[in-house]
Amino acid sequence: DTEVTQTPKHLVMGMTNKKSLKCEQHMGHRAMYWYKQKAKKPPELMFVYSYEKLSINESVPSRFSPECPNSSLLNLHLHALQPEDSALYLCASSQARVEGNYGYTFGSGTRLTVV
Amino acid sequence: DAKTTQPNSMESNEEEPVHLPCNHSTISGTDYIHWYRQLPSQGPEYVIHGLTSNVNNRMASLAIAEDRKSSTLILHRATLRDAAVYYCILRDNAGNMLTFGGGTRLMVKP
Repeated sequence: DTEVTQTPKHLVMGMTNKKSLKCEQHMGHRAMYWYKQKAKKPPELMFVYSYEKLSINESVPSRFSPECPNSSLLNLHLHALQPEDSALYLCASSQARVEGNYGYTFGSGTRLTVV
Repeated sequence: DAKTTQPNSMESNEEEPVHLPCNHSTISGTDYIHWYRQLPSQGPEYVIHGLTSNVNNRMASLAIAEDRKSSTLILHRATLRDAAVYYCILRDNAGNMLTFGGGTRLMVKP
């Protein structure tokens, strides 16, 4: 299995809702990432997990709460979002080595609309 | 992170080679050069990476300048399915992360 699977593919939520995005991989990768991508812009890093521990939080507002329950799963819990949080949320995984001699695998993303 | 500079957009004809340039004049000795592409409505896709030597795989070739201050992604025969945004990224050893720049939007004409 060489894929990163993200669910759901599309999500519409109200500003008072609580929802979760899910990401799964079975490649044995021990680093997993959340990115946010607005239309016509490059992906922006939000969080990095390495060996199931949060290693990087790029000053993301607390209404986004990541969770890595095991080495194959990554969740992003959403609460009290704003319309400007509408975007494509991408999950990625990779080996957890510091040196950069490996590729990253991305999922197809969850397109989130906050109404 | 060391920065990369790419043209905003390029056009190519179908079945012709495409050379996508990337400048990275502040690259350090341990930075790997990565290329990813993002097709419409999809997540980024790994294309190729290298350190010093030129690299080939089934998708593309990567030509790295001798001083490593620039590189070129080569698609040998462009197809309509190669129309995408191509990102050149320097992956350093400071952290386990990939930082995207603006990328080049490649348009392929039939």
